[in-house]
Amino acid sequence: SQKIEQNSEALNIQEGKTATLTCNYTNYSPAYLQWYRQDPGRGPVFLLLIRENEKEKRKERLKVTFDTTLKQSLFHITASQPADSATYLCALDPNTGTASKLTFGTGTRLQVTL
Amino acid sequence: DAGITQSPRHKVTETGTPVTLRCHQTENHRYMYWYRQDPGHGLRLIHYSYGVKDTDKGEVSDGYSVSRSKTEDFLLTLESATSSQTSVYFCATTQGSYEQYFGPGTRLTVT
Repeated sequence: SQKIEQNSEALNIQEGKTATLTCNYTNYSPAYLQWYRQDPGRGPVFLLLIRENEKEKRKERLKVTFDTTLKQSLFHITASQPADSATYLCALDPNTGTASKLTFGTGTRLQVTL
Repeated sequence: DAGITQSPRHKVTETGTPVTLRCHQTENHRYMYWYRQDPGHGLRLIHYSYGVKDTDKGEVSDGYSVSRSKTEDFLLTLESATSSQTSVYFCATTQGSYEQYFGPGTRLTVT
């Protein structure tokens, strides 16, 4: 069966460091991979999308890599700030047509401390 | 929240009662989705819609039905609520096959 794994344990890092979050998947061939941020009590917010034929995508302090051979995506936040503290979700999209039917990982909680 | 509202935001109901959750969007997006989020499971797709009166099942559709009579509204109905349907429900929209915009969520407790 399809499986998406994100580190279930919280990631604690110091302000100014680079945070790296991992998303691994099995039995899946996604056309797109997306990353979302979710704050407590709120809905997820889209951050980045990367296609299967792209190796890397950047947006300001964010960087996503996508390795379809390893079946893994890495999500980096450089120069982390306390405001980056949240849960980060990866989502895979098979792009099978009509609607975007995302499959989400359980998320990794990031805590950035001073 | 990209013009998406959900109502009610919180609801407590008893086992066996019907419950309807409403999602309203002002973006005129074609696609709408209902997810549930539970600890250890992440977000799971319940049903989705690709147009007025056009809906289809997601991963966890048993016990749920949906309706979309207008572009802006997508209703999720629990015909006979069970304790296993206690969850946080999120509505989302998208215009194309890319990023989804989520509503604020509805916390449903079935006692």
